[in-house]
Amino acid sequence: DAKTTQPNSMESNEEEPVHLPCNHSTISGTDYIHWYRQLPSQGPEYVIHGLTSNVNNRMASLAIAEDRKSSTLILHRATLRDAAVYYCILRDDRGSTLGRLYFGRGTQLTVWP
Amino acid sequence: KAGVTQTPRYLIKTRGQQVTLSCSPISGHRSVSWYQQTPGQGLQFLFEYFSETQRNKGNFPGRFSGRQFSNSRSEMNVSTLELGDSALYLCASSYLGTGMNSPLHFGNGTRLTVT
Repeated sequence: DAKTTQPNSMESNEEEPVHLPCNHSTISGTDYIHWYRQLPSQGPEYVIHGLTSNVNNRMASLAIAEDRKSSTLILHRATLRDAAVYYCILRDDRGSTLGRLYFGRGTQLTVWP
Repeated sequence: KAGVTQTPRYLIKTRGQQVTLSCSPISGHRSVSWYQQTPGQGLQFLFEYFSETQRNKGNFPGRFSGRQFSNSRSEMNVSTLELGDSALYLCASSYLGTGMNSPLHFGNGTRLTVT
């Protein structure tokens, strides 16, 4: 199972950008990089995913290193509602791992007003 | 569009009993996965179903089982409950399987407490 490494916790002030790093040095060529977040008392929520190129959506941006061994989730302006545990996950949709996500411990993001 | 619905939200059972949890996926989603979340082990994959067939299974004992119905609704069953089965059980659905890398949409879980 491909593994990811994330800091246990990070802090930010409201309305400031947040860069959440993730290392995945054993990533394979077919692994997609997914990010999910989990707010208190809720199930995980999909944030963004990508393969090689940087990706943007309404929630965040995903910057992927050229060698794909690391990536960064960027929240452009943190709000109090962004306080959550953020999970960086490698996902391969080949037969043996269909529908299966490997969650690590994630990064607990604290946002201060 | 309604999200993933899990019932019941909370459940208290006694050791040795069995329990059935239910999950209704987003309309049109054919893949349903189940996860167990505990403070000690984090989120762990249980199994995944697609079109009523189990395609993948995690490393859990045979006491944990599941099934999927023709309308894609899924149930998971835990027999002979142990104290260590106390956890948040999460269900997730996705639109398609192989090659689509579709995001998973999670419900808010069923909180099971075994006493």
